[in-house]
Amino acid sequence: NAGVMQNPRHLVRRRGQEARLRCSPMKGHSHVYWYRQLPEEGLKFMVYLQKENIIDESGMPKERFSAEFPKEGPSILRIQQVVRGDSAAYFCASSPKDRGGYTFGSGTRLTVV
Amino acid sequence: AQKITQTQPGMFVQEKEAVTLDCTYDTSDQSYGLFWYKQPSSGEMIFLIYQGSYDEQNATEGRYSLNFQKARKSANLVISASQLGDSAMYFCAMREGVGFYNTDKLIFGTGTRLQVFP
Repeated sequence: NAGVMQNPRHLVRRRGQEARLRCSPMKGHSHVYWYRQLPEEGLKFMVYLQKENIIDESGMPKERFSAEFPKEGPSILRIQQVVRGDSAAYFCASSPKDRGGYTFGSGTRLTVV
Repeated sequence: AQKITQTQPGMFVQEKEAVTLDCTYDTSDQSYGLFWYKQPSSGEMIFLIYQGSYDEQNATEGRYSLNFQKARKSANLVISASQLGDSAMYFCAMREGVGFYNTDKLIFGTGTRLQVFP
């Protein structure tokens, strides 16, 4: 059962480096969502993408964060010049066309040192 | 603005007993969906149960049931016959638009940590 695959599972970056988080949606799913979970908090929506389109990025920080979902390959959440406050768990979820329910991946735990 | 409130940071329950995890929500929309997710210590998010705002009956999934009181804007999760493996964080979430197959962003509460003891 190939669910939503996120890698890496754990990522350590020094302040100022770039972090790239990958999400491969379930087979047949064309919609991807990214959520961030700060320690001891619930998940907060970041961005919603379809293939080659950003549909809703209302939860994305204005600077340093970007996301893409290319025609081929996984969705990428990119964080430039990471700071300690970026340390969190980042979850990806996918759904089939816009009438499908969510499936979450296992998350990527980013630690900035 | 939509908001989910979970007022119980932690709950304890003895094995085989039932437990209720509270969730209240705030929305001005008439159509919305309510979800509960379980997050074990391994970190993944596991879908448990869904309730649409127009559903007349409370949702049930095995040992999980959702006590939906629309007028009070509450959507409490009831776990019957607790098991040690139920120890985890539990998150309530809401989405605009009814239908499990509607796709929109979820608003999450801050969670309740449930500990089941023998």
